Amino acid sequence: KQEVTQIPAALSVPEGENLVLNCSFTDSAIYNLQWFRQDPGKGLTSLLLIQSSQREQTSGRLNASLDKSSGRSTLYIAASQPGDSATYLCAVKGAQKLVFGQGTRLTINP
Amino acid sequence: ETGVTQTPRHLVMGMTNKKSLKCEQHLGHNAMYWYKQSAKKPLELMFVYSLEERVENNSVPSRFSPECPNSSHLFLHLHTLQPEDSALYLCASSQVTQGAYEQYFGPGTRLTVT
Repeated sequence: KQEVTQIPAALSVPEGENLVLNCSFTDSAIYNLQWFRQDPGKGLTSLLLIQSSQREQTSGRLNASLDKSSGRSTLYIAASQPGDSATYLCAVKGAQKLVFGQGTRLTINP
Repeated sequence: ETGVTQTPRHLVMGMTNKKSLKCEQHLGHNAMYWYKQSAKKPLELMFVYSLEERVENNSVPSRFSPECPNSSHLFLHLHTLQPEDSALYLCASSQVTQGAYEQYFGPGTRLTVT
């Protein structure tokens, strides 16, 4: 059974810092990994999707990496801004379904 | 309307009520999903419809009944719910190709069962 863990559960940093969010999964037989952002009480916004054959994806200030063999992914956020404050979720797609981690609640302090 | 929409956005219902949640996707996708998000728990997949057929029912109690009349619409019919069913219910859609797809989510319906 696939399990997805995100560490830390919460993170608070001052504006302008670069930061890394971590995601680990137990079964390396995945099709892809997706990073989402969720604002309080809202739905999920897809940020990046990495196919199993890829090592990383970039979108603006965001960079996600994938090391399938070790069961790890990181989301790198450069030059953080208060508007980046949200919960970040990673999810892995196996043969059947998308399995989510519990998320990292990120707060960027002005 | 663009993306994935859900109505209502908030719903309060008693345990004896019957209500329905609606989801509509405007992305031309062929698969739709219902998820439940409870406090302090990961998102839980409830149902998957692919090409209008239910392909997954993730051990969901029968008081939740999904309906997918076409590839753009998905409903979740609710009856005799329990207080522990209070949660954010999220709908998503995707274009299912061989092992590679991206899910797009709606804003959710915040359900409170009293």
